[in-house]
Order: sequence, then structure tokens, then C-alpha cells
Amino acid sequence: DAGVIQSPRHEVTEMGQEVTLRCKPISGHNSLFWYRQTMMRGLELLIYFNNNVPIDDSGMPEDRFSAKMPNASFSTLKIQPSEPRDSAVYFCASSSGTGNTEAFFGQGTRLTVV
Amino acid sequence: AQSVTQLDSQVPVFEEAPVELRCNYSSSVSVYLFWYVQYPNQGLQLLLKYLSGSTLVESINGFEAEFNKSQTSFHLRKPSVHISDTAEYFCAVSPMHSGTYKYIFGTGTRLKVLA
Repeated sequence: DAGVIQSPRHEVTEMGQEVTLRCKPISGHNSLFWYRQTMMRGLELLIYFNNNVPIDDSGMPEDRFSAKMPNASFSTLKIQPSEPRDSAVYFCASSSGTGNTEAFFGQGTRLTVV
Repeated sequence: AQSVTQLDSQVPVFEEAPVELRCNYSSSVSVYLFWYVQYPNQGLQLLLKYLSGSTLVESINGFEAEFNKSQTSFHLRKPSVHISDTAEYFCAVSPMHSGTYKYIFGTGTRLKVLA
């Protein structure tokens, strides 16, 4: 398996624009996580899905952020409208969903909002 | 709810010296424990994990961590570090038997190995 695949690797956008980050989890994994990493706040869990259903979105900063998982092999994180304070590295991770196995991380998307 | 505290944001250490990276957690339920490593411009990779049994767990590259339930700690140690160990290290917990499985991370510790 190629691991968790995220696209794009880098995104630069202007304030106010819509940004969509994409993730393909490892085949067979039924849990998917979106994290945001910043120097100030470290690694924050934004939302996670189990069997394509959002379980906990309490980490989503505000209504500008939304996430979907239309099927077991694809998820998106959308920011609309984007703001400079959204600049961060966004990671997607997947796991087999049993808690006693690790989460596997993608390479991340570095988002810069100017 | 769970939380993870890594008190040391940066740890400089000379090559071949020992190092300890501290991790304490808080949880109302039993948890699984993990250490991840992140090299520059990469995602996180699992270093080692504690699920049950022996409280001392080891990784293939010489790191070890010991689970201490009474102190709610899971400190990471290496007796002799290499330049290549320079990276950021994250401690994480996942609640047992919760029915929903998520990973809560600490804020990370940057290990800088000096020549």
C-alpha cells in the first residue's frame, strides 16, 4: 500500500478564497482523522470519521471549516473563506479503528493564506 | 477526556549522550500510549507503543519507553543518541474500550543532537 496520500502538498491562496484539501486513507482502514499542526498550538485533532461517519468534530475551529467522507477511500477538508490564521500544516491519518493500533499519517499539506 | 503534557519543548543533547523526553497524561479511563517521530517536512511515524503487558517497550532503533501507571507517565529514553535522531517527538494516547478511537497528542519535543 502507498500509505495515506494527501494532496496537494503545498497550497498558497489568497484570503477569502476557498481551499480544499484531499486525503486517501490506507485501504481497509475504517477510521480517518484530520489534524492541524502549528507552532503555537501543536497538533490539534479537527475531526475524525469512523466508517465514513463523522464521530467528533469538536475540534473544528469554526463554521468556515467543513469535512466530508463520501466513501471509504476519500475525504476532503474545506475552508471557505480562508483567512491568514488558517495557515498551518494539515495532516490526514487513518487507522484500523481498534484503538490499539497506530494511526498512519500522510505527508501533510502546507497551507499558506496570504 | 484525555490530555497529554510534554513539558520540554526543546531538548539539546550532545551526540552519544543519553536523553529522556518526558510525557505525562491525564485520563479518566485506561489508555493505549504511543510515541511518534516527525522528521522535517514529513508526516508522523510510529516509534513505539504500549498496549498491555510489560511496562517497558522498545523500538528497533534503540529508543525505549516505560509506562508508569501511578505517575501517569510514559517517558522516552535512549542511552546514546545519534545526529540522525534529531527530530520532533510526540507522545499520544488513545482511550481503551471507548467504542470510538481517537489519538490525542502532546505538543511535541524537539530533540536537537549536537556534534
